[in-house]
Amino acid sequence: GENVEQHPSTLSVQEGDSAVIKCTYSDSASNYFPWYKQELGKRPQLIIDIRSNVGEKKDQRIAVTLNKTAKHFSLHITETQPEDSAVYFCAAGSWGGSTLGRLYFGRGTQLTVWP
Amino acid sequence: ETGVTQTPRHLVMGMTNKKSLKCEQHLGHNAMYWYKQSAKKPLELMFVYNFKEQTENNSVPSRFSPECPNSSHLFLHLHTLQPEDSALYLCASSQGQGPYEQYFGPGTRLTVT
Repeated sequence: GENVEQHPSTLSVQEGDSAVIKCTYSDSASNYFPWYKQELGKRPQLIIDIRSNVGEKKDQRIAVTLNKTAKHFSLHITETQPEDSAVYFCAAGSWGGSTLGRLYFGRGTQLTVWP
Repeated sequence: ETGVTQTPRHLVMGMTNKKSLKCEQHLGHNAMYWYKQSAKKPLELMFVYNFKEQTENNSVPSRFSPECPNSSHLFLHLHTLQPEDSALYLCASSQGQGPYEQYFGPGTRLTVT
């Protein structure tokens, strides 16, 4: 099955700096890559996703890039703010095949933004 | 409450008890999921239901028994659990079984003593 690796496991940045979280996946059939944010004591929530027909997607201060050849995708947060502090999970899934509907999650990255 | 709700939010049970977790979604979705979230581990998919039919059982021990009476409700029946089953159990739903956004519930924090 799919294997998603996520790095780093923890990341500390100063407010206003950028943060980058990287994920790799193993199954070339994966074509859907969402990112979820989980604040302390709260449920995971989707913040951005990308499908394999695009290489980059932006939404205000967050962006995701995808390199299908190298099987990796990254989350970029610019101008970080203390409220960005949370655990971020990447995931990989596919539209078809035997694993339809299944998301494979990375282990998560604890991002801390210091004021 | 709108979205995905879960009850109870916290549960402490002994290894010989039988209990059930409940999930309800108010989003009109057709697919529902159970996940287990343990410390320092990836979210682990346990079960998937699509239009009330179980479509995936991710090699979950039989002491966990899911039930999906309709597209809005999902249960997880628990019996003779082990201490290592202590975790946060998250329910999620999505428009369909595919790469759609999954909406998570707040979770049930389970402690097995």
